[in-house]
Amino acid sequence: EPEVTQTPSHQVTQMGQEVILRCVPISNHLYFYWYRQILGQKVEFLVSFYNNEISEKSEIFDDQFSVERPDGSNFTLKIRSTKLEDSAMYFCASSPGGSGELFFGEGSRLTVL
Amino acid sequence: AQSVTQPDIHITVSEGASLELRCNYSYGATPYLFWYVQSPGQGLQLLLKYFSGDTLVQGIKGFEAEFKRSQSSFNLRKPSVHWSDAAEYFCAVGVRQAGTALIFGKGTTLSVSS
Repeated sequence: EPEVTQTPSHQVTQMGQEVILRCVPISNHLYFYWYRQILGQKVEFLVSFYNNEISEKSEIFDDQFSVERPDGSNFTLKIRSTKLEDSAMYFCASSPGGSGELFFGEGSRLTVL
Repeated sequence: AQSVTQPDIHITVSEGASLELRCNYSYGATPYLFWYVQSPGQGLQLLLKYFSGDTLVQGIKGFEAEFKRSQSSFNLRKPSVHWSDAAEYFCAVGVRQAGTALIFGKGTTLSVSS
């Protein structure tokens, strides 16, 4: 069964460093998403991406964040100048579109020290 | 904008007992509705979804949910809980527009006692 894959599963970084989280969505899906879950809190929407551009973003997704689909298969989330409060689990999801159902990856845990 | 409320932060149920997790949504039209489950350290797995039609939907692992438009609710139920059902459960709402992001509730942690 096709699935969304995310790398790395866990990354530890120093405050102020840049981090890139990678995702390979399901191959025939058209919409891609990043969500964040701070430990013990709810899953929060960050950004959605369609047709090579951002289609929707939340207030959390400020200039510190960027997304890219560099090669037609990977979907990346870049976090510049990481802060302690960026420590969270980051989930990538994809959707074929139309049905509203999202397929989630296992997540990438980011720890900022 | 749509929103989701899960009133119960933590519920403990005895193994074999029935379960109902509450979910209320706020949206002006009929939304898409979902329940996801998250086991510790894992990603989000879809349990079931409601798009249209029959308001009682069946999902995986013996779960079901009922959409009640008059109450803006989509409660999750299971007649007999197993210890392996202990997890975090998230209700989510989406609007009927392709590609629109889902909005999640804060989740309900289910503990199962023996």
